[in-house]
Order: sequence, then C-alpha cells, then structure tokens
Amino acid sequence: DARVTQTPRHKVTEMGQEVTMRCQPILGHNTVFWYRQTMMQGLELLAYFRNRAPLDDSGMPKDRFSAEMPDATLATLKIQPSEPRDSAVYFCASGPPWTGFFGANVLTFGAGSRLTVL
Amino acid sequence: DQQVKQNSPSLSVQEGRISILNCDYTNSMFDYFLWYKKYPAEGPTFLISISSIKDKNEDGRFTVFLNKSAKHLSLHIVPSQPGDSAVYFCAASPISNFGNEKLTFGTGTRLTIIP
Repeated sequence: DARVTQTPRHKVTEMGQEVTMRCQPILGHNTVFWYRQTMMQGLELLAYFRNRAPLDDSGMPKDRFSAEMPDATLATLKIQPSEPRDSAVYFCASGPPWTGFFGANVLTFGAGSRLTVL
Repeated sequence: DQQVKQNSPSLSVQEGRISILNCDYTNSMFDYFLWYKKYPAEGPTFLISISSIKDKNEDGRFTVFLNKSAKHLSLHIVPSQPGDSAVYFCAASPISNFGNEKLTFGTGTRLTIIP
C-alpha cells in the first residue's frame, strides 16, 4: 500500500532552534505539497513542487521557512529560527502525474509532523 | 481571505440518519472540488470529488452536490455510521493542462455520529 512518509512524527524544540521536517512522496508521484494545519486556518498551503521545481511558496514566511526537493524521493521543510507560533501539524502530500480531468487532484497525505516550539 | 469556507465547526448526528456537511467558496476559478476525511493523528484521506461540469456525484453512502451559481457544495452521508466520526475538509482547485494544481482547503467540520 503506497504511502507518503513523514519524519519526525513529533518534535519538541525551543524557540530559536532549527527544525527540519522530511517527506518521502509516493514513488511515481510528481507533485509534492506542504500544508500546515491550524485551528483558525484549517489546512493552509505553504509550498508545492512539480517535477521537483518549486511552483508556489507564497504561503510560507520567507524569512524563516524554506522548502526544497533535493531529489524525487525527498522533500524537506526547514524552519530557522523556530518560534512558538510555528507550533502546528505539518502535512506533506503527493500527487500523481496528470492523467485527465477527473481524479487529477487526488492527493495522498502523510500522517503529519506535530511540531511544538516552546 | 478564506476562499473556501466551512461555517459549521461541528455537527452531531444520530446513527442511521443523514449527515449534511456544507461548504462555500468564493473563487470563480475553482473547477474541481473534493472532500477529505481526517481521523485524529492521521493525515487527511480522499473521500469523494466532483468537477464543475456535474452537479452530483455519488459513491456508496456518500454523495456530493455542487451548486455552481451559489458557489456551494455539500456532502451527504446516508446512513451515518459511528466510523464516520471524523473531521471533514472541503477543498477546491482550478484545473490546468499541467496537472495537479494546489488545493485550497476549508477549516473543517468535526462530525460526531451518536450511537
């Protein structure tokens, strides 16, 4: 059963520390998305990639967040320095290549990385 | 600016009855709409979708209705079962020739099915 793998599942850190979250998309998927879940905003998009190229990172605080895809099997989301307001669950999702009109946006989500910044 | 809105944060329904979850959107460029279901400590999982050329799509106990003129969609679950208790997210996106476009999600509705 193909799945999106995220590490770490839980992370507790102190304000000012660097945090790196990793995601292994489903083999063969060519789009990767980073979402953050908050109570007020629901699932908000931080960044996404197609064929490893960044397409949109407008949802990300640029001064402290960065997202990369060093290769097709790894996506990373880095926060430096971290702040208490970054505490949230971060989800990675991947999507298959374009196959037609229907089913085009069926993303598969990982289980999430719960970040707590003290 | 919340482009996809789920105005009911929570909903309780008796087992066996119909659950109706609602979603409104503001962006006229949205062509494709999805519902995701989320259990605690898990990622959202795809439930059902509908494109803007249809007004209804059915999959077993789940039916999604789209009213494009009102920019409104709803998810009907009938009959509701205890395992349906979860948070339901509405999502929307434009469609392009390049494939997957970013999904814009609502804030979610927590559905509780009462046995």
